[in-house]
Amino acid sequence: GAGVSQSPRYKVAKRGQDVALRCDPISGHVSLFWYQQALGQGPEFLTYFQNEAQLDKSGLPSDRFFAERPEGSVSTLKIQRTQQEDSAVYLCASSLYEGGVTGNTIYFGEGSWLTVV
Amino acid sequence: AQKITQTQPGMFVQEKEAVTLDCTYDTSDQSYGLFWYKQPSSGEMIFLIYQGSYDEQNATEGRYSLNFQKARKSANLVISASQLGDSAMYFCAMSYGISSGSARQLTFGSGTQLTVLP
Repeated sequence: GAGVSQSPRYKVAKRGQDVALRCDPISGHVSLFWYQQALGQGPEFLTYFQNEAQLDKSGLPSDRFFAERPEGSVSTLKIQRTQQEDSAVYLCASSLYEGGVTGNTIYFGEGSWLTVV
Repeated sequence: AQKITQTQPGMFVQEKEAVTLDCTYDTSDQSYGLFWYKQPSSGEMIFLIYQGSYDEQNATEGRYSLNFQKARKSANLVISASQLGDSAMYFCAMSYGISSGSARQLTFGSGTQLTVLP
């Protein structure tokens, strides 16, 4: 497809289970972002990639969260030993440009809805 | 630190009427960008409109306009001629550090749930 694709769309995990969320950005997009959106709140920044380099991971809430983009295209967000507070929508976004977030240059996926029970 | 405040958790508007969604921001940066996104129940963030801090004219995109008041640090979204399909969550967001090339993230407000009544 032409947009940012995320999978799975819905995931129910038992507490303590590891999960992996996948993001397929728009082809050729240099920048890739992950955001976490708790119920009833705005998205919060997790991490940023420029090609395969993870240039900013200041938003990752703990060392249980890990993200990678090994070939500069598809990215995976991994959450180890999930806890109930990890329940949220995880949004991926991509941009053609390096770093610059201006105008309508950033495109979001529909998100992966994670529920930890 | 950058902060976005949306004080209206929910708003109602009659179909075909105009509505204003409030947004105030706080930043010490001189160069920043302001965004509005629409998020329907499907979850996707849909870009609506953008205003750069140095843009002298208010941004407009079809039925959307951004009322940018820099001195008051406000960036309200005006939707004219509301339609039933406009019912959704609306988020104001800010990027910063654009001039230094470090605008790598958006800071979002808590959102306003807009309901358009028939």
